[in-house]
Amino acid sequence: AQSVAQPEDQVNVAEGNPLTVKCTYSVSGNPYLFWYVQYPNRGLQFLLKYITGDNLVKGSYGFEAEFNKSQTSFHLKKPSALVSDSALYFCAVRDLNSGYALNFGKGTSLLVTP
Amino acid sequence: NAGVTQTPKFQVLKTGQSMTLQCAQDMNHEYMSWYRQDPGMGLRLIHYSVGAGITDQGEVPNGYNVSRSTTEDFPLRLLSAAPSQTSVYFCASSGTGGASGNTIYFGEGSWLTVV
Repeated sequence: AQSVAQPEDQVNVAEGNPLTVKCTYSVSGNPYLFWYVQYPNRGLQFLLKYITGDNLVKGSYGFEAEFNKSQTSFHLKKPSALVSDSALYFCAVRDLNSGYALNFGKGTSLLVTP
Repeated sequence: NAGVTQTPKFQVLKTGQSMTLQCAQDMNHEYMSWYRQDPGMGLRLIHYSVGAGITDQGEVPNGYNVSRSTTEDFPLRLLSAAPSQTSVYFCASSGTGGASGNTIYFGEGSWLTVV
């Protein structure tokens, strides 16, 4: 089965510092990987995806993610965190056996302090 | 563009009542799905559809029915609501072609409380 894991329930970072939200994956075949962000009482917003190609993927709001096949990781990064980046972040992998639905990690809560 | 539209946004049900959560998308996407979100558990797949007339079960289908009579609509029915179905429900859709291919778009969610 295709799955992802987010090892951190919460990440705290000071505004202006770089941030990393970790994700590892377990898939058979080539992974289709995604990052989504959820603000309180809102739906999920798409940040970026890796399908194929360059290992460094750039997405919305200054976020990027690095696909690392040897470490089976897809960590989300941003060079300089903003207080407004505080939200819940989900890593997900597309399950090609379920109509291309997503299998999600449990989410990581990011808190950026001023 | 409206994208994925879910209604209602909030609903309170009594145990045993039935109701339908509506989902519509205007992007002509083949794939649609329903998830539920519970604290500390991420999102779990309830049902999905790969096209009109085709549906299948996801990870947590019990207590829910779906149908896909048109490409645009994918309603989720709670047959006899139970407190364990208190959750936030998200509908999603995706296509396969173009620049947005493989990207899955989510609705704003439906907050359901069963008392």
